[in-house]
Amino acid sequence: DAKTTQPPSMDCAEGRAANLPCNHSTISGNEYVYWYRQIHSQGPQYIIHGLKNNETNEMASLIITEDRKSSTLILPHATLRDTAVYYCIVRTIYKLSFGAGTTVTVRA
Amino acid sequence: GAVVSQHPSWVICKSGTSVKIECRSLDFQATTMFWYRQFPKQSLMLMATSNEGSKATYEQGVEKDKFLINHASLTLSTLTVTSAHPEDSSFYICSAPGTGGTDTQYFGPGTRLTVL
Repeated sequence: DAKTTQPPSMDCAEGRAANLPCNHSTISGNEYVYWYRQIHSQGPQYIIHGLKNNETNEMASLIITEDRKSSTLILPHATLRDTAVYYCIVRTIYKLSFGAGTTVTVRA
Repeated sequence: GAVVSQHPSWVICKSGTSVKIECRSLDFQATTMFWYRQFPKQSLMLMATSNEGSKATYEQGVEKDKFLINHASLTLSTLTVTSAHPEDSSFYICSAPGTGGTDTQYFGPGTRLTVL
């Protein structure tokens, strides 16, 4: 599976949009981009995934560049409960390989 | 979304004892489940793939005789940490792929193991 690069941490103001970048320059054509988050001492929670097109669900939006070498997860209105470690993963099979992720802290 | 549960949520045991952790898919069947381990301030590391009705597949460096995995039914996988030692203290998390043509993995809430 392709390797991803994420900033180690970022702060976000409550009520504002949080834009989380992810680099996956070695992604291959059949690899999906998945986003998970892990709130302290809990199991990871699925957020969203996509292949080529931008995706949106009730939690977030995923913007994938046309060359698919990078993507951005957008939390439209961050709340304090969105404070977590966010993982960007690219994969083709069931196995998930977790990197260090981005620690997002939402501040009031 | 699919729900995965784990039991117990935390356990404390003495060094040398064995501990069993259960992972259940509550509203769907899972022929495959995954076991992860997470040390403090570190990311999740895949330990093994649990396969219903057959042997588990272990990742490189994971001792299969120490971490026994049994996947006896389509909704239950168990991880037994045998002869536990303090260095086995960790957060153990399982996951299972959802149904409906999706590859999305759903994770359990995790089990905190502390070996004294």
